[in-house]
Amino acid sequence: GQSLEQPSEVTAVEGAIVQINCTYQTSGFYGLSWYQQHDGGAPTFLSYNALDGLEETGRFSSFLSRSDSYGYLLLQELQMKDSASYFCAVGTGGYQKVTFGTGTKLQVIP
Amino acid sequence: KAGVTQTPRYLIKTRGQQVTLSCSPISGHRSVSWYQQTPGQGLQFLFEYFSETQRNKGNFPGRFSGRQFSNSRSEMNVSTLELGDSALYLCASSLSGLAGVNIKETQYFGPGTRLLVL
Repeated sequence: GQSLEQPSEVTAVEGAIVQINCTYQTSGFYGLSWYQQHDGGAPTFLSYNALDGLEETGRFSSFLSRSDSYGYLLLQELQMKDSASYFCAVGTGGYQKVTFGTGTKLQVIP
Repeated sequence: KAGVTQTPRYLIKTRGQQVTLSCSPISGHRSVSWYQQTPGQGLQFLFEYFSETQRNKGNFPGRFSGRQFSNSRSEMNVSTLELGDSALYLCASSLSGLAGVNIKETQYFGPGTRLLVL
């Protein structure tokens, strides 16, 4: 079966850096995506890694190690508006065959 | 450009009833996917449609079905509702259904329909 593991909750201080890890076991792998979802809102795409290494987009960075079946999302200079749930998702092949993790609820505190 | 829209936003039904949810993708997007989101199971893939054809399906019972129209709008139907079907149902659109497997494509989610089954 397919499984993605993420911590269920993380708390961090405003202005700090936080890392959200994701390990996966899937029967196919095309890439690792990250999504942000605020309470009551729709998931929004943050980043995508198909190859090993770090991708940077502003305050957010995402890392992938395919040999370790592991990735992480790094959020820098945390702001209160970053409080949300973050999902990793693996593209396992086929059309729109994407498996999501159960999500990490990030709480940013003053 | 307008985003993905879903109707209705909230719905209350009773066990045994059926329900139809609607999704209008971003203009120009031909792929529509449906997901079920629950606190316990997270986001689970239901099915994907492209040019009126179902191309992929997740592990859900046959009570869950869908279709896509020539204008790319999509509907999903759940028959014989069960209490466990209470969830947020999200649809997502993309150009060609390669989001997650192709770096050049992104899927955009709608706000969802929150279904409560009593």
